[in-house]
Amino acid sequence: TQLLEQSPQFLSIQEGENLTVYCNSSSVFSSLQWYRQEPGEGPVLLVTVVTGGEVKKLKRLTFQFGDARKDSSLHITAAQPGDTGLYLCAGFEAAGNKLTFGGGTRVLVKP
Amino acid sequence: DTGVSQNPRHKITKRGQNVTFRCDPISEHNRLYWYRQTLGQGPEFLTYFQNEAQLEKSRLLSDRFSAERPKGSFSTLEIQRTEQGDSAMYLCASRMQGAGQTQYFGPGTRLLVL
Repeated sequence: TQLLEQSPQFLSIQEGENLTVYCNSSSVFSSLQWYRQEPGEGPVLLVTVVTGGEVKKLKRLTFQFGDARKDSSLHITAAQPGDTGLYLCAGFEAAGNKLTFGGGTRVLVKP
Repeated sequence: DTGVSQNPRHKITKRGQNVTFRCDPISEHNRLYWYRQTLGQGPEFLTYFQNEAQLEKSRLLSDRFSAERPKGSFSTLEIQRTEQGDSAMYLCASRMQGAGQTQYFGPGTRLLVL
């Protein structure tokens, strides 16, 4: 079973600051997905990255997939209180046809 | 709304009772997945279906758990003789094989076993 480790587990910052969340594995994934989850709700997809070295931007969010497709990062610029939530990375195992999730990073943006 | 739906959203039961959850995937999606998420953790894979066939089950899925997708559309997850350790959020996701690897999640069913 491939494992994904997210860091940090918890991040508390002031509105306007930048933050980066990391997702690392020793194994290769065919794609990696980032989700945000609110309390009591299911994960909502933010982005899917497929190609090694790929960078995708979604407004103030920048996602990067490592060249070797083993790691990924999520960078938020000028964070806002609305960015508060649990951020989950999930790697897709093509052979297994399922997602392996990291443990999540809980982000709190204080006004 | 054409997203994944799950019912009920919340379930409180006493230890030893049976519970059943339902998932309605996005209509054209042929793959359906069940995950379990405990507090403070990421979701863990339980099982998945391609159409009506259950193709893989995790070791997390004990004999007390059974999932079905009889007509290849909605799915049910039943837990028999519930235990307090079964308390968790049960998530359903779906995707269309061959249309990318993205899975779309429902809102989940939160189970509390007293």
